Formats: sequence, structure tokens, C-alpha cells
Amino acid sequence: QKEVEQNSGPLSVPEGAIASLNCTYSDRGSQSFFWYRQYSGKSPELIMSIYSNGDKEDGRFTAQLNKASQYVSLLIRDSQPSDSATYLCAVNDEGAQKLVFGQGTRLTINP
Amino acid sequence: DTAVSQTPKYLVTQMGNDKSIKCEQNLGHDTMYWYKQDSKKFLKIMFSYNNKELIINETVPNRFSPKSPDKAHLNLHINSLELGDSAVYFCASSPPLAVGVHEQYFGPGTRLTVT
Repeated sequence: QKEVEQNSGPLSVPEGAIASLNCTYSDRGSQSFFWYRQYSGKSPELIMSIYSNGDKEDGRFTAQLNKASQYVSLLIRDSQPSDSATYLCAVNDEGAQKLVFGQGTRLTINP
Repeated sequence: DTAVSQTPKYLVTQMGNDKSIKCEQNLGHDTMYWYKQDSKKFLKIMFSYNNKELIINETVPNRFSPKSPDKAHLNLHINSLELGDSAVYFCASSPPLAVGVHEQYFGPGTRLTVT
């Protein structure tokens, strides 16, 4: 069974600081990696995708991928209270044509 | 102009009843999915359809039956509802299947409560 692991948190970060969310995965063949944000009572919203080793930046968000270490992370710079949500890491299971989700990390930004 | 829509948003029913949830997407995507999210927020795939054909059927009780009348619609029918079926059910869709790309877009969810 292919697995995606995240620290469930809660992760508490002061406003304005950098929030760092981490994810490890078991399938070395995975090629596509995604971060979803889910506010309480709402649906998951795609915020970042990354396919190559290294960093990918989009506004205050940076996704980092290290396939050798089977590790993907999400950095949120200048954290805002509106960033408080659960962040889900998803990894593509190429063989089964599906995404495998981690259990999510609950992030709280304290004003 | 909602991209992925689901009805109903809330569903409260008694054990043993049969219920359906409907999903529609107007993104022109070929692939649609049903997910179950339990109380611990774990999101698990149940089914996927690609252009009306069943692609993924995870270990789901036979009481759950998906149906895709066309590639823009994917419905979920549940027979003989049990307490353990209480969860939020999400529909999602993704662009045509291509190697390494599976960006999925989720509907608003249907919160099912079985009493």
C-alpha cells in the first residue's frame, strides 16, 4: 500500500513568520505532487503542484521536492491568519492512476 | 458558473435507507472521482470514472454504486445506509489522463449523517 505521511499537528506559527509543512511518500515512482488547502467545513482547494526536483514559488507559497529523499514540503512566507487551515499533501500513484492523500497538517496562524 | 457541483449539500437519514448524491462538472474534464472524508479528515478515494468508464473501484462495500450517465456527471447511490457511512463525500474531476499529471478539483462536498 503506497503511503503519504504528514505530521497531523496542530502546527502553530506566529503571524508574519514562515510556516513549514512536510510530507514524505513511499512510492519512488511518483512523478506528480500536490498541496491542497482545506478550510474547516470546506472542500480541498489546490494551491500548488510540483513535478521536478527543486523549488517552485507562487506568491507567498513555495513547494520543495526532493525525489531522492522522497520528501515534499510547502513553505508559507509572511503567514496570515487566513492561512489557518488543514494542508493536505497528495502524491500521484502512477500505476493506479489516482492520488494518495496524507492525513493533513492542521496549521494555525496566531495574530 | 460553479466548476464542480454536488447535491445535496447535507443529507440526514436513518439506517437502512437508500440515498443518492449527484455530481456535475462543467470544466470539460474526462475523469471524475468520489472520495470519502471521515471524522479524522482522512481523504480516501472510492471510485473514479474516465469518460463514463469505471477506472478505480477501491475496497468499498457493494452497497455503494456509482453511475456516470455522461462524462460531466457522476452519481453515487448508497443502499442500506449504516452508521459508519456518516462522513463527507466529495466529488472531484481532473483533465484528461496524462502521464504524471493529476490535478484534481473538488466539489463542495455532501455531509451525510446516518442516525
